[in-house]
Amino acid sequence: GQSLEQPSEVTAVEGAIVQINCTYQTSGFYGLSWYQQHDGGAPTFLSYNALDGLEETGRFSSFLSRSDSYGYLLLQELQMKDSASYFCAVRDHSNYQLIWGAGTKLIIKP
Amino acid sequence: NAGVTQTPKFRVLKTGQSMTLLCAQDMNHEYMYWYRQDPGMGLRLIHYSVGEGTTAKGEVPDGYNVSRLKKQNFLLGLESAAPSQTSVYFCASSQAGGHSDTQYFGPGTRLTVL
Repeated sequence: GQSLEQPSEVTAVEGAIVQINCTYQTSGFYGLSWYQQHDGGAPTFLSYNALDGLEETGRFSSFLSRSDSYGYLLLQELQMKDSASYFCAVRDHSNYQLIWGAGTKLIIKP
Repeated sequence: NAGVTQTPKFRVLKTGQSMTLLCAQDMNHEYMYWYRQDPGMGLRLIHYSVGEGTTAKGEVPDGYNVSRLKKQNFLLGLESAAPSQTSVYFCASSQAGGHSDTQYFGPGTRLTVL
């Protein structure tokens, strides 16, 4: 079956850099996605990695290592508005639909 | 463009009551999804649709039914609500369901079953 693991909570200081890890187990791999969800809000797409390496989008970067079944989301120059939950997700091999991790709550302190 | 909208935003039901949640998208997307999200958990797929007139079961379909009579609408029904169905329900849509397909979410419906 498929499963994803990510830390339940990460704390960082405003202006700092934080890394949110995600390890996955899948019978077939089609790429790793990241979504952001603010409290009371809807998930919004952040990034997608299909190949090994780093993808950068402004202050956010996402990394993938397929050989290690591992990825991470890197947030730089943290701002208070980055306080949210971050979810990694992979495709289910049987029906091609997204399977989601339980989410990492990012707490940012001033 | 409104994107993905959901009706209602909040609802309280008694055990055994029925209701329908409506999702609408104006992006001409082929794929639509219904998820539920419980505290401390990720999203779990209830049902999805790959096009008008089609539906398929997701990870947790029991107790729910869906219909996609029009491309822009995806309805989620609870025939006999149970307290275990207390959750936040999100609808989403995507263009074509490919590897990198981005899903766009509605604002959610908070459902409480007493």
